[in-house]
Amino acid sequence: QLQLQESGPGLVKTSETLSLTCSVSGVSISSSGYYWGWIRQPPGRGLEWIGSISYSGSTYYNPSLKSRVMMSLDTSKNHFSLKLSSATAADTAVYYCARLTVAVVPATCDYWGQGTLVTVS
Amino acid sequence: QSALTQPASVSGSPGQSITISCTGSSSDIGSYNLVSWYQQHPGKAPKLMIYEVSKRPSGVSDRFSGSRSGSTASLTISGLQAEDETDYYCCSYAGNSILVFGGGTKLTVL
Repeated sequence: QLQLQESGPGLVKTSETLSLTCSVSGVSISSSGYYWGWIRQPPGRGLEWIGSISYSGSTYYNPSLKSRVMMSLDTSKNHFSLKLSSATAADTAVYYCARLTVAVVPATCDYWGQGTLVTVS
Repeated sequence: QSALTQPASVSGSPGQSITISCTGSSSDIGSYNLVSWYQQHPGKAPKLMIYEVSKRPSGVSDRFSGSRSGSTASLTISGLQAEDETDYYCCSYAGNSILVFGGGTKLTVL
């Protein structure tokens, strides 16, 4: 059964880099047909797509965050990662990782991690 | 890209039907049959309820249905139940492997 689990520091200092990892079990992240994504949710607010990475390592980022975001795959550990630089209080949120299915393009988040709260202070 | 527009709240009585709208633009909903809907209970991860406008994943009740007209997508829940009371989010493909979410709608079952 597919499972995703986020991990990383729960507290990040202002101006530093927020780093999270999503460990995947039940499927290889290098399997064609899937992308892997990050979505965040500030406390009491809605969901925001951060970006996605394909099974081959191609990346796609939210234009509003593009200058600060980097995503990568580690196929040897079957996990993918998020780095968000120059963090501010506005980046405080629950961060979710998710699998995206590809019909013709990656458009559906069918499996989600449980989420991890990151506070920037 | 701008967030999709959803009503902040909708309500209905048990057994009734409700519809949640999701308005985008010609750059997202209006151009692609790639709208998905997510249900999120407090403190939990979102759950996929509808994908590609109107398809239901295995295990999702057929009381949930989706549609699209122009740049507006809709989620309809029929036979409203108390357990349906929670938050719902729409999401659309916006080209170039970019996704955009709606602001969310809180459903209250009266």
